[in-house]
Amino acid sequence: ETVLTQSPGTLSLSPGERATLSCRASQAVPDKYLVWYQQKPGQAPSLLIYAISTRATGIPDRFSGSGSGTDFTLTISRLEAEDFAVYYCQQHGNLPWTFGQGTKVEIK
Amino acid sequence: QVQLVQSGADVKRPGASVKISCKASGYTFTTYTIHWVRQAPGQRHEWLGKINAGNGDTEFSRKFQGRVSITRDTFATTAYMELSGLTFEDTAVYSCARDFAVAANWFDTWGQGTLVTVSS
Repeated sequence: ETVLTQSPGTLSLSPGERATLSCRASQAVPDKYLVWYQQKPGQAPSLLIYAISTRATGIPDRFSGSGSGTDFTLTISRLEAEDFAVYYCQQHGNLPWTFGQGTKVEIK
Repeated sequence: QVQLVQSGADVKRPGASVKISCKASGYTFTTYTIHWVRQAPGQRHEWLGKINAGNGDTEFSRKFQGRVSITRDTFATTAYMELSGLTFEDTAVYSCARDFAVAANWFDTWGQGTLVTVSS
């Protein structure tokens, strides 16, 4: 199966700073079959980005996704208070669909 | 608004089965696929399988094939996931999630999660 490894495990940043989250796949993810979710404590995950770089409805443009093949990046250009959360990547190009272990973005 | 509401937490003995429901509202149930995902403590999310709520077609992760069953009741707009032969390693939060479409295989809405504890 395709193993997704996210780094770093935890990112400690201040509001207004830039966050760069990595998701590396053990094998190439076909086409654009990579998505990102955000999860806040006590809540279900919510969709952020699909097809590597397309923001879901209502997602502000400070969130952007990029990458291809085995290396993908989620960037938050200027962190706001509501962005401190856990972020997961998921691939849906190779069965079984798999998830990264998550990156926690915490307030420094 | 689109909502998926799951049944409550459950405790099961090893070897037993668990069946979780996922009640959908706010959209046309038969137009989308419902997936089931779990997350064990300290582990990453795992995809178990899915059901096309329109025609009932299912697909499962090989890891769970033979142990998992996913069904739906279109009149009740509810999907069900049953996992049999439970072991301690099946202790996890189980979530249903709506596919973005019929077969996009990513999830635009999640249920609140159901904690299943396997304990002797």
